[in-house]
Amino acid sequence: SYDVTQPLSVSVALGQTARITCGGNNIGSKKVHWYQLKPGQAPVLVIYRDINRPSGIPERFSGSNSGNTATLTISRAQVEDEADYHCQVWDGSAGWVFGGGTKLTVL
Amino acid sequence: EVQLLESGGGLVQPGGSLRLSCAASGFTFSSYAISWVRQAPGKGLEWVSAISGSGGNTYYADSVQGRFTVSRDNSKNTLYLQMNSLRAEDTAVYYCAKEVTEGGTMYFDYWGQGTLVTVSS
Repeated sequence: SYDVTQPLSVSVALGQTARITCGGNNIGSKKVHWYQLKPGQAPVLVIYRDINRPSGIPERFSGSNSGNTATLTISRAQVEDEADYHCQVWDGSAGWVFGGGTKLTVL
Repeated sequence: EVQLLESGGGLVQPGGSLRLSCAASGFTFSSYAISWVRQAPGKGLEWVSAISGSGGNTYYADSVQGRFTVSRDNSKNTLYLQMNSLRAEDTAVYYCAKEVTEGGTMYFDYWGQGTLVTVSS
């Protein structure tokens, strides 16, 4: 099996930079995708294949992936960025693998 | 605009059955595999089941194998999940999500808003 680990929560001051990590054994060799979940709304893909932003996602969202850690970075964090963020990888043996999710609080 | 809309959730007793539906629009439905993904209260996302665009291939998580059946009607642009022998641990919000396969990886580019399934006596 393959597991990925996220911190339960991250806090960031309004306008500052938030970093949410996704850890896994040699995760840098896999492609990591990030989803934003807000209550009562459809989840939204914010980063795919480590670094790519879908159309309509603000430029303040970025991603990186190296070694044993992938990171979702939200620059100049806004109130509307407050949400749960989940990382996901596809593993040939384990299939669909999700992290436990990180609650981002914007103070 | 791609849209996915789930329905059919509700309260059901342990051992009971429920059928979820996912109505799709805004894309060529039959060309894409679709998954069901769930989130139990206070937990992370869990992949449940998937079906290929033609409907000829289906896949299940071990936790639901033998109890859940995924199907689709491409003439109606609709996906289904028949859930039998439901357990308390199946309580979750169920999402349908459109799959993307590229560059040796897979991810979901669009999701529905979800439908809540509660299994309780």
